[in-house]
Amino acid sequence: ETGVTQTPRHLVMGMTNKKSLKCEQHLGHNAMYWYKQSAKKPLELMFVYSLEERVENNSVPSRFSPECPNSSHLFLHLHTLQPEDSALYLCASSRERSMNTEAFFGQGTRLTVV
Amino acid sequence: KQEVTQIPAALSVPEGENLVLNCSFTDSAIYNLQWFRQDPGKGLTSLLLIQSSQREQTSGRLNASLDKSSGRSTLYIAASQPGDSATYLCAVLNDYKLSFGAGTTVTVRA
Repeated sequence: ETGVTQTPRHLVMGMTNKKSLKCEQHLGHNAMYWYKQSAKKPLELMFVYSLEERVENNSVPSRFSPECPNSSHLFLHLHTLQPEDSALYLCASSRERSMNTEAFFGQGTRLTVV
Repeated sequence: KQEVTQIPAALSVPEGENLVLNCSFTDSAIYNLQWFRQDPGKGLTSLLLIQSSQREQTSGRLNASLDKSSGRSTLYIAASQPGDSATYLCAVLNDYKLSFGAGTTVTVRA
């Protein structure tokens, strides 16, 4: 256990569905991240939140919408996804965004878009 | 833009052999470098964190070295075991972003 919990672990959704991924950490960290891991590709950074403020958006399509209601929780709202969005979505946290700190990852949500 | 390369992409060794995994990066202005382990379909587990001012870190059978000026890190795993079979990822932090390599998939044969 890394202290970062993601739910659900697996999700199958149709292209017209709306769903949300949840990430929770109780490590007292101030920075949280969403990454996408597609088959045979390096992890891609999607969003960065620092102290509940979005500080990074790596040209992610608007069908992905992040939300950070407090420093312990991070959501990724999904709507009208495409089959190529099928991937492992990983949440991570670190003590500070700008400090030289270690990142801790959750177990991921395996998303399949049909 | 930071580019991280891991060689080899895959490695298969008999149990007991030492493992050497390589990571190289293009921008040497890094804050730190982390090695992670990922089991199939699972998240990432942090193995070692090397600060930019350090040359190496050790944890049990694992030893990681960092040569920032040449943009290289090596992860050594001594006396490999079947339980070490996994994908090992290298990531560097600079410009407030973690950039990952594609990983080295290790299989340790019993």
